[in-house]
Amino acid sequence: SQTIHQWPATLVQPVGSPLSLECTVEGTSNPNLYWYRQAAGRGLQLLFYSVGIGQISSEVPQNLSASRPQDRQFILSSKKLLLSDSGFYLCAWSALGNIQYFGAGTRLSVL
Amino acid sequence: AQSVTQLGSHVSVSEGALVLLRCNYSSSVPPYLFWYVQYPNQGLQLLLKYTTGATLVKGINGFEAEFKKSETSFHLTKPSAHMSDAAEYFCALQGAQKLVFGQGTRLTINP
Repeated sequence: SQTIHQWPATLVQPVGSPLSLECTVEGTSNPNLYWYRQAAGRGLQLLFYSVGIGQISSEVPQNLSASRPQDRQFILSSKKLLLSDSGFYLCAWSALGNIQYFGAGTRLSVL
Repeated sequence: AQSVTQLGSHVSVSEGALVLLRCNYSSSVPPYLFWYVQYPNQGLQLLLKYTTGATLVKGINGFEAEFKKSETSFHLTKPSAHMSDAAEYFCALQGAQKLVFGQGTRLTINP
């Protein structure tokens, strides 16, 4: 069966520090991968998605970037965090663009 | 353009009462529609989906939704609310390579 792993579960970082969140999927090949953010009291915002290795689509201009170095690995990064980067980050995968399956999320607090 | 509107950001019902969460969509092609549930500090979990065929779709935890093309709606219902149903619920529409989410409805259950 397929599983998705996302870590860390919580992270507290100072403003201006770098960020790296990792997401990996097991049990499937060539999944579509997604990064979402939920700010406090707001809905889901799609940040990036990828349909293959090295293929990244950015949905909104921001302080973040994404990379897909391997088929089932999706990384969310920032060189310098802003206060506004705080939120709950969710990774998801889907096969052929159908049902999306979500990871447990990372709670990021930028102080 | 495709869009999803969830009517009511907060819904409160008494335990044992009917749950009705409203979702309307806009799509130029036959829609694939989903309902997800999110418990606090967790990822999203699929409740049910509509692709084609029967318009009344049954999901997990006693929830069901009815696709009404004439009303462009996909409302989520449950006959009798339980305390464990307290969560945030998201309606979503399948787009090209990604899901289009509504803003979410927070469901509160009163004892």
